[in-house]
Amino acid sequence: QSALTQPPSASGSPGQSVAISCTGTSSDVGGSNYVSWYQQYPGKAPKLLIYEVNNRPSGVPDRFSGSKSGNTASLTVSGLQAEDEAHYYCTSYAATGRVFGGGTKLTVL
Amino acid sequence: QVQMLQSGVEVKKPGASVKVSCKASGYKFTSHGISWVRQAPGQGLEWMGWISSDSGNSKYEQKFQGRLTLTTDKSTTTAYMELRSLRSGDTAVYYCVRDKLYAFDNWGQGTLVIVFS
Repeated sequence: QSALTQPPSASGSPGQSVAISCTGTSSDVGGSNYVSWYQQYPGKAPKLLIYEVNNRPSGVPDRFSGSKSGNTASLTVSGLQAEDEAHYYCTSYAATGRVFGGGTKLTVL
Repeated sequence: QVQMLQSGVEVKKPGASVKVSCKASGYKFTSHGISWVRQAPGQGLEWMGWISSDSGNSKYEQKFQGRLTLTTDKSTTTAYMELRSLRSGDTAVYYCVRDKLYAFDNWGQGTLVIVFS
């Protein structure tokens, strides 16, 4: 199962919005509503940010939102804050199991 | 609250096997499956496989077929990941995660497995 494609890096200034894409195929992202996003700080376990494309678990700020169009899902971080600097990973359900994106390092300038 | 508590650091020689445990608490164990995800140093996340905590049915990523066995013990609400024929490329942090409707909503703290000759 090939990994989903994410840009290796993204950046924005405090207060700005940044979108991170996650591109797969009709066998995973395009054919599933089970796309989720995770935030990971160095040396820490990942944390669930978005599930089922656009749902936030309780406690996740509404600055984080998800969407999907065709084979590409996106995570948008609005009102960037310094603490948003981290790695972000997407994952999707696939018939063969689960597949992760390669990860995006978000830098807050 | 939900907790996934993993066993400690393992150092193994190439060709050996490792078995990592994951004690789940704070929820009905049989209601959700458990996936295992690993992360090599400086690399991204990699899904390894999933097991139903109720039936014991499992699904493995193709690249681990034949080397990986996932099991659970309902009596102790513990999941296990056994990886055999270890090689240096298996050096990574291994995470157990509660798999709730295909989202990984609670993660263990991670277990570092070092394969070193």
